[in-house]
Amino acid sequence: ETGVTQTPRHLVMGMTNKKSLKCEQHLGHNAMYWYKQSAKKPLELMFVYNFKEQTENNSVPSRFSPECPNSSHLFLHLHTLQPEDSALYLCASSQGRIVEDTEAFFGQGTRLTVV
Amino acid sequence: GESVGLHLPTLSVQEGDNSIINCAYSNSASDYFIWYKQESGKGPQFIIDIRSNMDKRQGQRVTVLLNKTVKHLSLQIAATQPGDSAVYFCAENILLGGQNFVFGPGTRLSVLP
Repeated sequence: ETGVTQTPRHLVMGMTNKKSLKCEQHLGHNAMYWYKQSAKKPLELMFVYNFKEQTENNSVPSRFSPECPNSSHLFLHLHTLQPEDSALYLCASSQGRIVEDTEAFFGQGTRLTVV
Repeated sequence: GESVGLHLPTLSVQEGDNSIINCAYSNSASDYFIWYKQESGKGPQFIIDIRSNMDKRQGQRVTVLLNKTVKHLSLQIAATQPGDSAVYFCAENILLGGQNFVFGPGTRLSVLP
């Protein structure tokens, strides 16, 4: 276990559904990330939160909506997704940009299938 | 193992042999590099890191080499074992300048019995 927990592990949703992915980290980190890993591309950074503030939105469509209520929790709200959004969504956390060790710890991911 | 690309470079090695996985990074300003291992059905896991003021760092059975001149990183695994079969990613970052790790496409390592 890496200290980063994602739920659910698997999710199948229709294109008209609304669902949310959850990430929780128990490492005391200040930065949290959403990544997308699909069959055709390397890991793609989607969103970055640093001290609960969104510091990066990597040109992600608005059908993906992140939420970071506190430094330990990160959500990704999904609505009206497309089949091409099917992928593994990975959450990660790190200390942040200031300190020495900025290794990112990843969760197990949520395997999302849009039908 | 469906979490990785269909067209990943693949390295096949015999059990017990040494493996060398290569990575070309993109940003000459990057000063911190990590190798991650991703096993089937799991998220990436940290293996070893190196800062740009070093050109070599050793861990347990693994060695990372950094050549800043040609922006090249390699991961050497000694005495490769079946449990080493996974996809390996390099990631680059800029300490004190940004916190957004940029990942390479990954290499699939297959260990043959």
